[in-house]
Amino acid sequence: AQTVTQSQPEMSVQEAETVTLSCTYDTSESDYYLFWYKQPPSRQMILVIRQEAYKQQNATENRFSVNFQKAAKSFSLKISDSQLGDAAMYFCAYPESGGGADGLTFGKGTHLIIQP
Amino acid sequence: EAQVTQNPRYLITVTGKKLTVTCSQNMNHEYMSWYRQDPGLGLRQIYYSMNVEATDKGDVPEGYKVSRKEKRNFPLILESPSPNQTSLYFCASSPWTGTGRNTIYFGEGSWLTVV
Repeated sequence: AQTVTQSQPEMSVQEAETVTLSCTYDTSESDYYLFWYKQPPSRQMILVIRQEAYKQQNATENRFSVNFQKAAKSFSLKISDSQLGDAAMYFCAYPESGGGADGLTFGKGTHLIIQP
Repeated sequence: EAQVTQNPRYLITVTGKKLTVTCSQNMNHEYMSWYRQDPGLGLRQIYYSMNVEATDKGDVPEGYKVSRKEKRNFPLILESPSPNQTSLYFCASSPWTGTGRNTIYFGEGSWLTVV
C-alpha cells in the first residue's frame, strides 16, 4: 500500500516569512499526480497545488510552490510571504492505484501557525 | 457552479438509529468516494464508486454501506451507528481515469456525532 509521510505535525512562521512543509511518499508508479490540500478552521478541503510527476518543472500557484524530487519521492510545499489566512492544516496526498481506485492516500497533516 | 454537496452538514444521533448522509455532484464525474477524518489519523477512504452500480470498499468500510443508483448521487448509510463512527465525513468526486492522474473535489464535510 502506498504511504504518505508528513514529518512535521506543526510548524510556525512569522507573517511575511517563507515556510516549507515536507512530504515524502512511496510508490512504484512512474506517472501520477501529487497534491497539497489546505484545511482551514472551516474544515473544508481546498486544493492548493497539484504536481504532475512526468513534468520536471515544479508547480507554482501564486505564493505557493512545490519542490518535487521524483527520485527521492519528496514533495514539499513552499509558502512565500505567509499571510494570516494561510493558517490551516495542510495535507499532502497521493492517488491510490491498482484496480483503478483513483482515491487519495493522505499524510497525517501539518498544522501551520502564522505568527502576526 | 461546480460543486459537491453533502447533507446534513451537522448531525447528532443516537446509537443504533439508522442514518443516511447524502452526496450529490453536478460535474458528471464517474468517480465518487467517502472519507472520514479523525484527529491524528488524517483522511481515510471508506468506500468508492467508479460508476453507476459499481462500488468497492476503501480502507475503513466496516459499519458503512453505500449505493450508486445514479451518476450524480452517492449516499453513505450507517445502518446501526456506534460512537466510534463519530467523525467528520467528506464526500469527493472526480473524473475517473484509473491512472492516478486526476483531481479530486471535496464536499464541505458532514460532522456526525453518535451518542
